[in-house]
Amino acid sequence: DGGITQSPKYLFRKEGQNVTLSCEQNLNHDAMYWYRQDPGQGLRLIYYSQIVNDFQKGDIAEGYSVSREKKESFPLTVTSAQKNPTAFYLCASSIAADWTEAFFGQGTRLTVV
Amino acid sequence: AQSVTQLDSQVPVFEEAPVELRCNYSSSVSVYLFWYVQYPNQGLQLLLKYLSGSTLVESINGFEAEFNKSQTSFHLRKPSVHISDTAEYFCAVSNFGSSNTGKLIFGQGTTLQVKP
Repeated sequence: DGGITQSPKYLFRKEGQNVTLSCEQNLNHDAMYWYRQDPGQGLRLIYYSQIVNDFQKGDIAEGYSVSREKKESFPLTVTSAQKNPTAFYLCASSIAADWTEAFFGQGTRLTVV
Repeated sequence: AQSVTQLDSQVPVFEEAPVELRCNYSSSVSVYLFWYVQYPNQGLQLLLKYLSGSTLVESINGFEAEFNKSQTSFHLRKPSVHISDTAEYFCAVSNFGSSNTGKLIFGQGTTLQVKP
């Protein structure tokens, strides 16, 4: 089945550590996105990539980094510079020529302990 | 800049009653409009979308939304809700046309609580 796979589902991080969230898609979509979800705030865009080896900052990129070395993969690293990383992280993808629908993964819940 | 406002953070309703979840947006350019649904600890699923044409769009599970350009609204309605409709609902917009990058601007979400 085609879809977006995020792993792990739950992740715990100690303060001062970097962690990487995985996002893989087999939909052959060109564009991929990372959103952060906090209660009562909806979803906010962290980074997005429209093509391999290229990505742009979203609205809340500080403290995060990404790479897009393969079309199928768009990992997100939460660095120690992110002061409030506890949140639900969602990865999405869409067809570049279409832009009319984004498909979402099941999310990763990150907790700082 | 674009923004989306969902006017109600929580909407409690009894089973089989009608419901309306309100969404207003602000944009200087034309937009695509979306409603997504999220069940607990899961990702978002597309419920319905307005791209062009008829201003009334429907989903396969009985929801409908009407695009009102003059009021910049895209309210979601269902004439009779089920317990299984209990979830969080997000309204979102993206740019229409050449400036579109697929980025979505989301509202804050509305929790629909269907009571027996």
